[in-house]
Formats: sequence, structure tokens, C-alpha cells
Amino acid sequence: NAGVMQNPRHLVRRRGQEARLRCSPVKGHSHVYWYRQLPEEGLKFMVYLQKENIIDESGMPKERFSAEFPKEGPSILRIQQVVRGDSAAYFCASSPLGQADYGYTFGSGTRLTVV
Amino acid sequence: GQQLNQSPQSMFIQEGEDVSMNCTSSSIFNTWLWYKQDPGEGPVLLIALYKAGELTSNGRLTAQFGITRKDSFLNISASIPSDVGIYFCAGLMEYGNKLVFGAGTILRVKS
Repeated sequence: NAGVMQNPRHLVRRRGQEARLRCSPVKGHSHVYWYRQLPEEGLKFMVYLQKENIIDESGMPKERFSAEFPKEGPSILRIQQVVRGDSAAYFCASSPLGQADYGYTFGSGTRLTVV
Repeated sequence: GQQLNQSPQSMFIQEGEDVSMNCTSSSIFNTWLWYKQDPGEGPVLLIALYKAGELTSNGRLTAQFGITRKDSFLNISASIPSDVGIYFCAGLMEYGNKLVFGAGTILRVKS
């Protein structure tokens, strides 16, 4: 009865490297959401995906960031050429339907540190 | 973009005291949610509110959806040490899929 699984829990990258964050949703959930949390702030929406489709990416930075949720396997949030300002906690959430009304289930997050 | 103003920013209270925190917005929300986040973990849903004026309880927690649909409050009665954490309000607009979060209220409990 696993919840949303995110890995790695902690990731350290040097400036200019790529960061890949993985999210396995709750079994049976086909909707995934990514949020970013800067220190001492609330979570900010980044992107909403359904299997193989990006539904809403209005919160994604225009460059260097991309997300996918393939037919098989976890959802991936990719950050290319990381900069210090990308350091944050990245949370993934999933829901069975495309509705956030029930407050979908969050994972424990990946804490990215860019050095 | 939409913003939620959450207050207070932090609270340091004595064990056994009641706690109250609230969120306001200039926008109307269809759903209000309250989450708790422990250090190093993701947010966990505490209470969900779906109708203006709705008052909902979950154990020692009580939350209300404001009549104007632009605000909500969360009360915790008889606080205990394990209530320590960060509490977030979040709003969902009609037909929306993305939650808008407040900046959080840090709760510390002195035993």
C-alpha cells in the first residue's frame, strides 16, 4: 500500500549539471503534479501531467525544466544546467482522477542542493 | 497570480493551549484544504472544505470555509507536542487542478 514514492530524497549537483527527479504515483493513479518549495515558503505549482500528456505546465520555468510521465515507469522532472537558485524541495503528488478536490497525496520530496 | 495570505507566520505556545490560524485571499476558491508538513516530509492533508460556511472537524482540529469563499481558518484545541510543524492552507479554484498554497504557519509547542 505504498504512497507516492520520490527518489532520490536528497540530490546534490554542481552548477551546470543535470538533475533528474523521479516520482512513482500511488498505484492506480494516472495524474501527477509537481510542486517546488523554496525555504520558508509554501509550495508552488509547476506542472500537471496525465499518462503521456502534459496537461498544464503554466508553473514551469520556460527554460531548462521539463517533465514527462511515460506510459510505463515513473514521472521524471528534469532540470538541465542547474543553477544555485534551483536549490529547493521538489514534491510530487498524484490523484486517481484529474481533480484536486480531495487534496491529492504528496510524496516526501526530493531536496535538491546546487553547489 | 493568485495569492493566499496566511497568518500568523509563526506561533510558540504552551502545551494545552488552543491555536488559531487563518488564510485570506482576494480570489474566490471552490475548495479550501489544510495541510501539515513535518520536517523533511511532504504535506499531509488534515481537513478539506467544499462549501461556503462549512465547518468541519477532525479530532482536535476544526476548520471553516468562509462565507465569502475568500478565507478559511484552522483551530487546534488543547495542543500537544506532536502538533509541532508547519501548517499550510491551500485553495483550489473552480475547475482547477492546481493548488495555491499559503506561506505557512510554523507552530512550536512548549511542554
